[in-house]
Amino acid sequence: QKEVEQNSGPLSVPEGAIASLNCTYSDRVSQSFFWYRQYSGKSPELIMSIYSNGDKEDGRFTAQLNKASQYVSLLIRDSQPSDSATYLCVPSRGSGAGSYQLTFGKGTKLSVIP
Amino acid sequence: NAGVTQTPKFRILKIGQSMTLQCAQDMNHNYMYWYRQDPGMGLKLIYYSVGAGITDKGEVPNGYNVSRSTTEYFPLRLELAAPSQTSVYFCASSSTGASSGNTIYFGEGSWLTVV
Repeated sequence: QKEVEQNSGPLSVPEGAIASLNCTYSDRVSQSFFWYRQYSGKSPELIMSIYSNGDKEDGRFTAQLNKASQYVSLLIRDSQPSDSATYLCVPSRGSGAGSYQLTFGKGTKLSVIP
Repeated sequence: NAGVTQTPKFRILKIGQSMTLQCAQDMNHNYMYWYRQDPGMGLKLIYYSVGAGITDKGEVPNGYNVSRSTTEYFPLRLELAAPSQTSVYFCASSSTGASSGNTIYFGEGSWLTVV
């Protein structure tokens, strides 16, 4: 089983809708996560981090972490065409060996339709 | 407000040629990274550095070399270029380790084609 599983999409949502991006993870990863966004042809940028169980809100974005079910999600409210990008669920490696390395998977491609 | 600067942005190499991708950051970050991203794939870590004079291999180091003589610069050397090295290369830096929660700042990328 991969450390993190994320549907590659594409996920299409109409403008103004809620986009829900999900990933599940195995016991082998730290239970803290980063959400990165990568526009086509651009470098990734950090949009949210979540370290504890529950929800964390930042503007139109809400990150959710459910440690019991081992899933993490990102909700984007009032989706805009400018949100069209690939979203990467990235597990933290905490401290110690390997802590300098983040694993960036293929992510989920989101397309917001005007 | 430069951040992480990579040069060149685009380059075409012939098989067997060598070149150096330059990376500089002006944020006094200790940690620097080189990633490559093949079309439709995730980023893979090539090499990283935790400070001047200290470098270590990442997931895909074969065919590459790095050096870190100063805090600011972290060049990536490609020796004997091969078509498999056709990719987009991203340099990045952070003030602490990547997993500590501090933001990783990425450069704009260098598009390399080996023909």
